[in-house]
Amino acid sequence: LAKTTQPISMDSYEGQEVNITCSHNNIATNDYITWYQQFPSQGPRFIIQGYKTKVTNEVASLFIPADRKSSTLSLPRVSLSDTAVYYCLVVFRDNYGQNFVFGPGTRLSVLP
Amino acid sequence: DGGITQSPKYLFRKEGQNVTLSCEQNLNHDAMYWYRQDPGQGLRLIYYSQIVNDFQKGDIAEGYSVSREKKESFPLTVTSAQKNPTAFYLCASSIHRSQPQHFGDGTRLSIL
Repeated sequence: LAKTTQPISMDSYEGQEVNITCSHNNIATNDYITWYQQFPSQGPRFIIQGYKTKVTNEVASLFIPADRKSSTLSLPRVSLSDTAVYYCLVVFRDNYGQNFVFGPGTRLSVLP
Repeated sequence: DGGITQSPKYLFRKEGQNVTLSCEQNLNHDAMYWYRQDPGQGLRLIYYSQIVNDFQKGDIAEGYSVSREKKESFPLTVTSAQKNPTAFYLCASSIHRSQPQHFGDGTRLSIL
């Protein structure tokens, strides 16, 4: 059964680095892992995407180990505006086709 | 401005009625998706379409139907067979199924 897990919530202070891990068993071999940020009553916004090892862009880094059974989103020096819910998205394949599965989400609270 | 437009933002339905949610994109993306989000939960895939005139069921397709007659449009019909339709519905599109998804701002459906 395709399943992803994430911590339900995390607290941090402004200026700290935050790492959020998503665990995903049976991930499809050739598909990417993608992370999104969501504010209340809005659609998710793309943060970063990767296949393996490390990817970095202007807002985050993504670490993916060789077995690809987990991925870690790293947000450097968070600010109050980073308070949001963060989701990983992975693709699973079975005999019926492919399925796009979001994790349950991690609610990040950044405190002053 | 390029993007995804979902309408209406709020929708009310009487029990036993079908209702159609609109999703239009002008990003020239091939793939489109519909997700359902319940309060405090992650997103669950209802249907997705990789190309015009093609679509596949997601985890929770029962009680829903879609069509993809044009590249820009992917309407979702919530039928009377869907017994618990109250939720936040999100539409997304991507260049290809492996590329990041871009989301609309959602439609909140409530039952009167």
